[in-house]
Amino acid sequence: AQSVTQPDIHITVSEGASLELRCNYSYGATPYLFWYVQSPGQGLQLLLKYFSGDTLVQGIKGFEAEFKRSQSSFNLRKPSVHWSDAAEYFCAVGAQAGTALIFGKGTTLSVSS
Amino acid sequence: GAVVSQHPSRVICKSGTSVKIECRSLDFQATTMFWYRQFPKKSLMLMATSNEGSKATYEQGVEKDKFLINHASLTLSTLTVTSAHPEDSSFYICSARDVSRDSRGEQYFGPGTRLTVT
Repeated sequence: AQSVTQPDIHITVSEGASLELRCNYSYGATPYLFWYVQSPGQGLQLLLKYFSGDTLVQGIKGFEAEFKRSQSSFNLRKPSVHWSDAAEYFCAVGAQAGTALIFGKGTTLSVSS
Repeated sequence: GAVVSQHPSRVICKSGTSVKIECRSLDFQATTMFWYRQFPKKSLMLMATSNEGSKATYEQGVEKDKFLINHASLTLSTLTVTSAHPEDSSFYICSARDVSRDSRGEQYFGPGTRLTVT
């Protein structure tokens, strides 16, 4: 069965510092991988996705993620965090086309000044 | 493009009443829509998969008689919470797939509906 693990429940980063949010997945084949961001009381916004090809994926708002098959990971990174990046971040995995996504439990990002 | 709307964005209802939440794909046809539930500070939990013109497929543990899902057209799916109770209070999010745009599984999410049952 598919599963997604986000080991960090809450991370605090200083504004301007770099960020890495971890995501590990469990799935037999190459999954479709996603990162979403959610602000309080809001819906989900897609940051980036990986389907195939180049394992380093660029997304919106300066985010990137790297798919590492050997580690079953899809970590999200940003070189310099802005206060507006404070939000909840969800990693998700999809299997076959047409199936629902399985979400990790999320990581809350706080940004300190 | 690929916009999904939900209505209402917030709803408060009394215990024992029913409430309907609409999910619409505004600029594409969605043969499949998904309904998720999110508890405070928790992840999204898939409730059911809704296919146009057929019965919804519910996840284990989700009461299909309580959470009625109808996908009557290619742009509209509805979730009706029947005989609502305070424990049904939650954030409900729908998503839709546009097969013509992407066959690999990307979904487009609605903004969510906050249900509070008093």
